[in-house]
Amino acid sequence: GQQVMQIPQYQHVQEGEDFTTYCNSSTTLSNIQWYKQRPGGHPVFLIQLVKSGEVKKQKRLTFQFGEAKKNSSLHITATQTTDVGTYFCAGRQAGTALIFGKGTTLSVSS
Amino acid sequence: GEEVAQTPKHLVRGEGQKAKLYCAPIKGHSYVFWYQQVLKNEFKFLISFQNENVFDETGMPKERFSAKCLPNSPCSLEIQATKLEDSAVYFCASSHYRGYNVEKLFFGSGTQLSVL
Repeated sequence: GQQVMQIPQYQHVQEGEDFTTYCNSSTTLSNIQWYKQRPGGHPVFLIQLVKSGEVKKQKRLTFQFGEAKKNSSLHITATQTTDVGTYFCAGRQAGTALIFGKGTTLSVSS
Repeated sequence: GEEVAQTPKHLVRGEGQKAKLYCAPIKGHSYVFWYQQVLKNEFKFLISFQNENVFDETGMPKERFSAKCLPNSPCSLEIQATKLEDSAVYFCASSHYRGYNVEKLFFGSGTQLSVL
């Protein structure tokens, strides 16, 4: 079945450093979404990517969708303590349920 | 409402007891999804509904788990004869419609089920 792998599982950075999490699918995706879950909270939608090679930016966050629509990345520039949480990618093949990666938990020390 | 409402927030059951969780989707959202989150990270898809109809149940355990979304009532997820491994946070999410470019999920705050 469809699988979505995400690395790294954990990442600790100093405030101001950059952070990247990577997502890979075993199959071609129709779209990919990213969510953020704060400790003790629920996932909150960040963005959806649909087109091959698509790049979207939200302030310090940059999201990319691979040319083959099998991988994606989230890059945070100059992390802040408010960036702490777990970042999940979630991919979908056409007609299937959204499948979540296992997430990357980011911790930031000031 | 403007948020997905899940009740209860916490549920404790002895092994073998029944557990029932509720979810009220955002008004106007026609799709409802249930996910199980174990160990704070891994999300397992369980089932989805389009209005009151089952849309995708490929993730539902064949035994013990059932779900419904009836008109004018909160959706429900029921676990018969709970087992220790059912301990998890169960998230409900709703979305406005299922199109190629749109299907942002709005999650509820989850129900923490502890089976003792």
